[in-house]
Amino acid sequence: EAQVTQNPRYLITVTGKKLTVTCSQNMNHEYMSWYRQDPGLGLRQIYYSMNVEVTDKGDVPEGYKVSRKEKRNFPLILESPSPNQTSLYFCASSLAGGMNEQFFGPGTRLTVL
Amino acid sequence: AQSVSQHNHHVILSEAASLELGCNYSYGGTVNLFWYVQYPGQHLQLLLKYFSGDPLVKGIKGFEAEFIKSKFSFNLRKPSVQWSDTAEYFCAAKRPGGGNKLTFGTGTQLKVEL
Repeated sequence: EAQVTQNPRYLITVTGKKLTVTCSQNMNHEYMSWYRQDPGLGLRQIYYSMNVEVTDKGDVPEGYKVSRKEKRNFPLILESPSPNQTSLYFCASSLAGGMNEQFFGPGTRLTVL
Repeated sequence: AQSVSQHNHHVILSEAASLELGCNYSYGGTVNLFWYVQYPGQHLQLLLKYFSGDPLVKGIKGFEAEFIKSKFSFNLRKPSVQWSDTAEYFCAAKRPGGGNKLTFGTGTQLKVEL
């Protein structure tokens, strides 16, 4: 089944404790992206990747890192999480090219205390 | 900068009522437009998309949207909603050549009452 998976689905952590949220897709998509969803703000792009070893900042990249060492994986790293990063995070992927639909993962609900 | 506006933040309808959710974009050129739906506790799913051609686009589950270039709008419609349409709806825009970047509106929470 074609899908985007994320782990963990739920995470409660404390300020400053490094964490990684994994994202994997099995559709051989070139493009992958991370979004955060906050009430009243919709989805905002954090980082995206056009292909392996090619990443770039989205609209809200502060406090986040990403890497793209393999085509299928695009982990999101929070080196020193803070409470303002409490949010619902979605990973998405698509084929390259503007006409292609983005497929979304199930989401990761992160709480930083 | 490209932005997408959804002016209805919360909508409550009775079953069988007609639905129209507004979406406006600010980009003044060729643009691809999307409507996504997020059912409670689930991820986003594509309802429909517009790239070119017929400005009236039909999607899944009886939804449709009309692209009106002169009004920079892409409103979502459904003639008769069901309780199962209760969800959050997001309009999104992508500029061709803009690196696949999707810009989302803030979402509209739809509640359909029995």
